[in-house]
Amino acid sequence: GAVVSQHPSRVICKSGTSVKIECRSLDFQATTMFWYRQFPKQSLMLMATSNEGSKATYEQGVEKDKFLINHASLTLSTLTVTSAHPEDSSFYICSARESGLAGYEQYFGPGTRLTVT
Amino acid sequence: ELKVEQNPLFLSMQEGKNYTIYCNYSTTSDRLYWYRQDPGKSLESLFVLLSNGAVKQEGRLMASLDTKARLSTLHITAAVHDLSATYFCAVDMSGTASKLTFGTGTRLQVTL
Repeated sequence: GAVVSQHPSRVICKSGTSVKIECRSLDFQATTMFWYRQFPKQSLMLMATSNEGSKATYEQGVEKDKFLINHASLTLSTLTVTSAHPEDSSFYICSARESGLAGYEQYFGPGTRLTVT
Repeated sequence: ELKVEQNPLFLSMQEGKNYTIYCNYSTTSDRLYWYRQDPGKSLESLFVLLSNGAVKQEGRLMASLDTKARLSTLHITAAVHDLSATYFCAVDMSGTASKLTFGTGTRLQVTL
């Protein structure tokens, strides 16, 4: 099946610094990738849709200058949390939809747990 | 705005019992997904339901979709401890898996 990886799996950073999270589709090409955030004991909330070669589409209420998304190739999207603060601590999950198919499924990465101290 | 609600939010059940988790959504959609999440882990895909009346079964889990009622169910038969996890449904408004809206989640605890 389609495999999506994320790196790092866990990161701790100091308040005010930036953190980059990578999302890769390992065995398929993904024109579109998605970034979700999940707070403890809550559901997943879509943050943004990442499109290869174009600007990301952000959901309402998500600051695009704070959560920078780059989708430079068909297998890699990155999320950079800029000037991180403790309230950004969360579980970030990416997913990818395979290019060229009916695209009826998203494949989820293993997630990245971000802790901002 | 699409709302996706699950109930119950928390379910404690004994091994061997049957139970159903419900997923209601507020806007017409023909595609619905069920996922399992273990603590500290990401999502595992369980079922993809693509049309009205779709029914899928895997092991002790069976999912169904009634698009007219805007309702999906996840039925658990003869629960075992290994099924303890949080279960999410997600509704696809786009028809192409371009935008999933997740339900509130149901935390299932199966006791011995």
